[in-house]
Amino acid sequence: DAGVIQSPRHEVTEMGQEVTLRCKPISGHNSLFWYRQTMMRGLELLIYFNNNVPIDDSGMPEDRFSAKMPNASFSTLKIQPSEPRDSAVYFCASSPPQGRNEKLFFGSGTQLSVL
Amino acid sequence: QKEVEQNSGPLSVPEGAIASLNCTYSDRGSQSFFWYRQYSGKSPELIMSIYSNGDKEDGRFTAQLNKASQYVSLLIRDSQPSDSATYLCAVNDLKAAGNKLTFGGGTRVLVKP
Repeated sequence: DAGVIQSPRHEVTEMGQEVTLRCKPISGHNSLFWYRQTMMRGLELLIYFNNNVPIDDSGMPEDRFSAKMPNASFSTLKIQPSEPRDSAVYFCASSPPQGRNEKLFFGSGTQLSVL
Repeated sequence: QKEVEQNSGPLSVPEGAIASLNCTYSDRGSQSFFWYRQYSGKSPELIMSIYSNGDKEDGRFTAQLNKASQYVSLLIRDSQPSDSATYLCAVNDLKAAGNKLTFGGGTRVLVKP
């Protein structure tokens, strides 16, 4: 199993540009999570999906952020327009459907730098 | 008040000693507790899970859970330089569908040879 696959690994962009982060969860997993990690705020949950349906997006900072999961094998997190304060590592994670105690499997993350 | 609290550290321990990490949580109904290890520049990886009061041992790691006091701890015995990392405590959110976890800020551990 290839694990959770995220792309790109690194993204450098200028303020005001649109940024799209991509995630492919582990096959068979039915929950997908987008986290953001910074030194100041730690690991924050932005949004998560269960069976492709957004369940909780209360962690999305503002309307500039949006996420989609068109099918069980793909999700995107979009920032439009991007700002320097969006610079962080963005992790995607997935978990299997067996129960409430299943562990999260994290992707390698996308290091985003907004100049 | 944050839902999951950890001392940020760094916790400096000599090689071979025991590292003791603590975590407190605010939701008394939480049922599942996890410890993740994160090396610098890498993603978090699960090292321990615990669901019942008491101790759970796995190799050099021991997780301890006390639901009455709302804390969970992690002991690392015979600490090695390779244990130097940030350790994240995570607690499940019973109000949410699916396996939603809330993470603490992490404790940075430095094991000195």
